Amino acid sequence: QVQLVESGGGVVQPGGSLRLSCAASGFTFSSYGMHWVRQAPGKGLEWVAFIRNDGSDKYYADSVKGRFTISRDDSKNTLDLQMNSLRPDDTAVYFCARDNPVCAHWGQGTLVTVSS
Amino acid sequence: TVMTQSPATLSVSPGERVTLSCRASQSVRNNLAWYQQKPGQAPRLLIYEASARATGIPDRFSGSGSGTEFTLTISSLQSEDFAVYFCQHNEGWPWSFGQGTKVEIK
Repeated sequence: QVQLVESGGGVVQPGGSLRLSCAASGFTFSSYGMHWVRQAPGKGLEWVAFIRNDGSDKYYADSVKGRFTISRDDSKNTLDLQMNSLRPDDTAVYFCARDNPVCAHWGQGTLVTVSS
Repeated sequence: TVMTQSPATLSVSPGERVTLSCRASQSVRNNLAWYQQKPGQAPRLLIYEASARATGIPDRFSGSGSGTEFTLTISSLQSEDFAVYFCQHNEGWPWSFGQGTKVEIK
């Protein structure tokens, strides 16, 4: 069955960097686009980024454009999110999700806290 | 594209019919999905392409609409359906979610 496991969350100071990873199994990873979606504590869902199955296209929310970078390693079945210049309003649980259709399968998320 | 859901909270009794609304600030054609989220859990895809049920979703869940107005209907609310429901458009980038509707026990 499809399994997505996020890791890399933690506490980071404002202006700092963090790299999240999502380990995928149970499906042919290279055949699917992948998303990152986040949820601030007690708030709604915010779509963050998408990468096509072949890595040819990447899209970002305006709130993270220029600061976050989505990437994938099909040899390791992993999806990454490099987060730079972090701000307190980036504090959230970050979920990875498999595309097709839309965000069809989700991991359980990893918590990122940006605080001094 | 801004997605607006109404109402913010809905208080209902088990067995009742429930209708949730989602409005897009511009046309998203039929590129609209619905998700259910329970406390401490990841969201679960219910409906995509406005009216297609995702794998394993009971037929008491149905979606309708196109353009800017969409509806999620739960025909007879079960105890396990008390949750928060989000709509999301996937018509062009960036995608965006509505703010959610909480369905709570009356």
